[in-house]
Amino acid sequence: DADVTQTPRNRITKTGKRIMLECSQTKGHDRMYWYRQDPGLGLRLIYYSFDVKDINKGEISDGYSVSRQAQAKFSLSLESAIPNQTALYFCATSDEDRAGSGEQYFGPGTRLTVT
Amino acid sequence: DQQVKQNSPSLSVQEGRISILNCDYTNSMFDYFLWYKKYPAEGPTFLISISSIKDKNEDGRFTVFLNKSAKHLSLHIVPSQPGDSAVYFCAARVKAAGNKLTFGGGTRVLVKP
Repeated sequence: DADVTQTPRNRITKTGKRIMLECSQTKGHDRMYWYRQDPGLGLRLIYYSFDVKDINKGEISDGYSVSRQAQAKFSLSLESAIPNQTALYFCATSDEDRAGSGEQYFGPGTRLTVT
Repeated sequence: DQQVKQNSPSLSVQEGRISILNCDYTNSMFDYFLWYKKYPAEGPTFLISISSIKDKNEDGRFTVFLNKSAKHLSLHIVPSQPGDSAVYFCAARVKAAGNKLTFGGGTRVLVKP
C-alpha cells in the first residue's frame, strides 16, 4: 500500500463550489505539506503543518484553507473554487529526523479542474 | 520572482549518452539542494541531494554538482536510459525556514532508444 494517499485522484467542479482534497499517510511523519503544480512553475507551497496544532501558510495560501485532523491526515479546502485553481495538487510528508536533507515524500496527486 | 530556476524546459538525449540538467538559484541562504523525478500520474520521488558545504554528490548513475559562487547546480545522468524519461525538478531548502522546499519549474527529459 502507498505510504501517502490522496483522494480524489481526479475532480471536476464548477466555479463557486466548495471542494475538499484529502491526504493520509502511514509513514508516521510529523510534517505534512500541500503543493500545487502548474506548467512551467514547478511546485508551489500552499500550506504546511509541523504537527496537529501547528499550521502555517505557504507562498500561495489565498483562496485555500487546511485542516490537520490527526497526525496522519491533512485536508485542503477550496471554499469557493475559481478556474485559476485548476492545477495538479500534491500532498507531501517529511520526518523531522530526516530534515537534514529536506527530503519529502509525495502522494500521487489530485488533478483538479474548475469550470 | 522565482528563487529557483530551471531554464531548459525540455531535453532530448540518446540512450547511453549523458544527460545534463541545470538549475540556478538566487537565495544564498539555501543550505540543501535536492533533485526530484516525476513520472506522469505519479508524485515526485526524491532522487539525490547535496549540502551547500559540498560541491559534488554521486549516487550510481546520478551526480549532482554545486557551484556556490555561481549559484548553480547541475544533475548528470550517465549513462541515460529510456526509464530516465521523466520530469526533473530542482528544489532548495533553508533549514531555518522550517524545511520548506522551493522548486524550479522542471525539465522534461526524453531518452531516445
